[in-house]
Amino acid sequence: ETGVTQTPRHLVMGMTNKKSLKCEQHLGHNAMYWYKQSAKKPLELMFVYSLEERVENNSVPSRFSPECPNSSHLFLHLHTLQPEDSALYLCASSRGGFSNEKLFFGSGTQLSVL
Amino acid sequence: KQEVTQIPAALSVPEGENLVLNCSFTDSAIYNLQWFRQDPGKGLTSLLLIQSSQREQTSGRLNASLDKSSGRSTLYIAASQPGDSATYLCAVFANFGNEKLTFGTGTRLTIIP
Repeated sequence: ETGVTQTPRHLVMGMTNKKSLKCEQHLGHNAMYWYKQSAKKPLELMFVYSLEERVENNSVPSRFSPECPNSSHLFLHLHTLQPEDSALYLCASSRGGFSNEKLFFGSGTQLSVL
Repeated sequence: KQEVTQIPAALSVPEGENLVLNCSFTDSAIYNLQWFRQDPGKGLTSLLLIQSSQREQTSGRLNASLDKSSGRSTLYIAASQPGDSATYLCAVFANFGNEKLTFGTGTRLTIIP
């Protein structure tokens, strides 16, 4: 148990659905991240929040919408996804954003878009 | 743009052997390098973090080394056990561009009982 909890663990959705991924960290960290892991590709950073403010958005399509209501919670809202968006979505946290701290990852949400 | 390469993509060794995993990166201007472990369908667990000023870090049977000038890091696992079977990823942290933490694609390690 890393202290970072993601729900749901698995999600199957159609291209017209709207769903949300949830991440919660119990470590008192100030930075939270969304990563996408596709088969045979390196992890891709999607969003970074530091002290609840978004500081990075790596040109992610607008069909992915993050929300960080407080330093412990992070959401990823999904709508009108494409089959190529199927991947493992990982949430992570660190004590400070872009610092020399270790990243702590959740177990991920395995997303399948039909 | 920073690129991180891990070769081989997969490795199988008998239980009890010592082994080395390799990681190389193209730009030596890094702040630190981390080694992670990932079990199938799970998140990543940070194993070791080496700051750019350090040469190595040790944790139990694991030893990670860093040669920043040559753009290389190794993860040494002593006396391998079946529980070590997992995918091992390295990632470098650099403060340029948008990719602050750049990951390799990993080495899938299988320890044969």
